Amino acid sequence: EPEVTQTPSHQVTQMGQEVILRCVPISNHLYFYWYRQILGQKVEFLVSFYNNEISEKSEIFDDQFSVERPDGSNFTLKIRSTKLEDSAMYFCASSETLRGLRFTGELFFGEGSRLTVL
Amino acid sequence: EDKVVQSPLSLVVHEGDTVTLNCSYEVTNFRSLLWYKQEKKAPTFLFMLTSSGIEKKSGRLSSILDKKELFSILNITATQTGDSAIYLCAVLISNFGNEKLTFGTGTRLTIIP
Repeated sequence: EPEVTQTPSHQVTQMGQEVILRCVPISNHLYFYWYRQILGQKVEFLVSFYNNEISEKSEIFDDQFSVERPDGSNFTLKIRSTKLEDSAMYFCASSETLRGLRFTGELFFGEGSRLTVL
Repeated sequence: EDKVVQSPLSLVVHEGDTVTLNCSYEVTNFRSLLWYKQEKKAPTFLFMLTSSGIEKKSGRLSSILDKKELFSILNITATQTGDSAIYLCAVLISNFGNEKLTFGTGTRLTIIP
């Protein structure tokens, strides 16, 4: 069964360092997302990406964050100058939604990348 | 601000019991409401509800949406230890074709053998 894969599963970094979290969405999906979940808190939307550009971003997704689709398969989240409060589980997700058309409801999540900022 | 509120936050029951999980919402540009199960890491899709009053069923799980009162319930009958998980409610919001999910805090369900 196709799945969304994320690497690394866990990354520990020093405050101020840059991290890149990688995701390989399901191959025929067109819509990509990043969500994060701080320990004990709810899953929060960060950004959605369609047709090689950001569709929507939340207030959390400030200039510290960026996303990229460097090739036909990978989808990355870059966090510059990490802060302690960036420690969270970061989930990549994809869906086969076509913009403006019927959403199937199946947002497929990866297993997550746990980021720990020390 | 869009809000999705789940209750209870935590629930502990014995195997075989029936549970009802609640989700209420206040959002603009509502499109659908979705339920996910989160066991260890990734949320897995359970149901998507778009119309009021139509029950969705999958085995022992069922869910229904009330768009007038702005809530949904998720029922699990004859619970098993494998049902222990966090159940997430999320509302799909659509702005000019851009879609995003807004999640509730989840209900942590623990089934005691």
